[in-house]
Amino acid sequence: SQKIEQNSEALNIQEGKTATLTCNYTNYSPAYLQWYRQDPGRGPVFLLLIRENEKEKRKERLKVTFDTTLKQSLFHITASQPADSATYLCALSPGEGGKLIFGQGTELSVKP
Amino acid sequence: DAGVIQSPRHEVTEMGQEVTLRCKPISGHDYLFWYRQTMMRGLELLIYFNNNVPIDDSGMPEDRFSAKMPNASFSTLKIQPSEPRDSAVYFCASSAGRGQPQHFGDGTRLSIL
Repeated sequence: SQKIEQNSEALNIQEGKTATLTCNYTNYSPAYLQWYRQDPGRGPVFLLLIRENEKEKRKERLKVTFDTTLKQSLFHITASQPADSATYLCALSPGEGGKLIFGQGTELSVKP
Repeated sequence: DAGVIQSPRHEVTEMGQEVTLRCKPISGHDYLFWYRQTMMRGLELLIYFNNNVPIDDSGMPEDRFSAKMPNASFSTLKIQPSEPRDSAVYFCASSAGRGQPQHFGDGTRLSIL
């Protein structure tokens, strides 16, 4: 069956450290993968998109990798801050259409 | 620029009543998506439209749910009759094309008593 899985446990880290979140998928061949941030009571907000022919993408303190052999994407936040505390969702395109399938999300808590 | 606008933000109604959720996408976006989010099932795609035409409604849970997009600036999701298990946060999102980032509204928190 098709699955997309993120770290099921909440991630607690100290301010200034690097947070690494994992997104694994099975039985999909996505053309691209996206990462979103969601704060309580708000809709998800787009952060980064990475295509199947790209290994790595960066934006300020954020970095995403995409390994189509391992069927895995890693999302890194360097020099983390308490303001980075939120739930992070990965989403992939399951086919040719415009839709996305979302993972369950990983809750990140950055302590001062 | 205005983002995706959803109304109402909160809706509490009794089982059996009709519920209508509304969405105004970002101007110029040709894709519109309806999602449902619960703790148990996460964020699930219900239906999406391209150029006002429904493309994939395989996520619509049953015939009690229907969605329309009469024009490029408005969409509705209707539940009739509503049931307690429909309680969730419903999000609308729009995007400028296939593979483009999706922009979400702040959702409608629906409670069916």
